[in-house]
This record gives sequence, C-alpha cells and structure tokens, in this order.
Amino acid sequence: DAEITQSPRHKITETGRQVTLACHQTWNHNNMFWYRQDLGHGLRLIHYSYGVHDTNKGEVSDGYSVSRSNTEDLPLTLESAASSQTSVYFCASSESASSYNEQFFGPGTRLTVL
Amino acid sequence: AQTVTQSQPEMSVQEAETVTLSCTYDTSESDYYLFWYKQPPSRQMILVIRQEAYKQQNATENRFSVNFQKAAKSFSLKISDSQLGDAAMYFCAYRCPNTGNQFYFGTGTSLTVIP
Repeated sequence: DAEITQSPRHKITETGRQVTLACHQTWNHNNMFWYRQDLGHGLRLIHYSYGVHDTNKGEVSDGYSVSRSNTEDLPLTLESAASSQTSVYFCASSESASSYNEQFFGPGTRLTVL
Repeated sequence: AQTVTQSQPEMSVQEAETVTLSCTYDTSESDYYLFWYKQPPSRQMILVIRQEAYKQQNATENRFSVNFQKAAKSFSLKISDSQLGDAAMYFCAYRCPNTGNQFYFGTGTSLTVIP
C-alpha cells in the first residue's frame, strides 16, 4: 500500500545544530507540504512543493529550507536549530493542486531543541 | 492570509449522543473547499469530511455531517451516535485555488467521549 513516512519519529538536538527531517511518500504525488503543530496554533505551513525542483515558502518559513530532487522525497532542514523550533512536524502530500484533493499526512516527527 | 477559527478548544459528549463542533472562516473568495480532519492520540491526521463551497447540499459521511452556511462563513461538524473512537482533536481547514491552494487550519477542538 502507498504511504507517507517520516524519520526520525523523535529527535532531540542542541541549539545551533543543523537538523534534517526526512519525508518519503510512495503515492507518486506531485504536491508535498511541511507543517509544524504547536498548541494554540494548529498546523502552520512551513514550505511546500508542487513538483521536482519546485519549492515555495509558507507562513512560517524562517529558519527552514527544503529541496525537491525527486518526486518521493521532501527533506526539511533546520539550518541552525533554535528552541522556538521545538514542535511536532508533519509532512503531507496530495495528488494534484486541485483544491478538492485531500492531503495525506505522515505520522509526525517530535523535535526538541535544547 | 486566510483565517480559520475554531472557538471551542475542548468539547465533551456522552457516548451515543450527538455533538457539534464549530468552525468559521474568513474569505472573499467564492470558490473554495472546506475540510474536517481528525487527529487521534496516535497523531495521524485523517480526513473526516469535505465540502465544496459551490455545492449547497451539506456533505455527509456515515455518522459525520456538516452544516455549511456560506453566507455566514460557517462550517460546523456534527457527529451522531458518538463512539469512544471519536475521541480526538478535530481540525477545520480551508483551501482555495486562488490563494495558492494552501491549506489553512484552525487551532483545533479536543473532543472527549464519556462512556
């Protein structure tokens, strides 16, 4: 069965370190998204991609970067981790840019920055 | 940016009873889509139901239905015959082709089901 996976599921790092969160989907979806989930804020969009080599900034993109070298993967990099980036991160994908299409979510990565 | 508001941080319902979760949104667009997602303790986000703004008929999926009031920009979720497995965080979301097709989520409502 097609799926979307994230790794690691839990990560503890130190302030200033570079961290990369992996997202891999086997749906062959063109569209992929990264969100962070914090209490009182719901899910907020960090970056998104509508295809290979396409990346776009979302609502809360500062301090994060993504690159899309193939259809299946959209890794999220924190260039210099900050305590404010402690959060749960979700990756999602959807079949096309059509507004009707749902997004399929990964299981999430809990990141703690000490 | 679009805004989606869920004014009920927490709700509770007795098993087998009906509960309604509220959602309002702000937009000047006429063509858009609305979604309800469920997030159980496992953290996995699951689509519950969706509604196209140009359709007047309210969407239904088994025990889940919506009350879509376009003029009032309201999109509430009704859960009938509540079950213990319905306990979760519920998120309302908005998506519009004219605003980049991004999803905008509300802050969520935590639903407790009392046996």
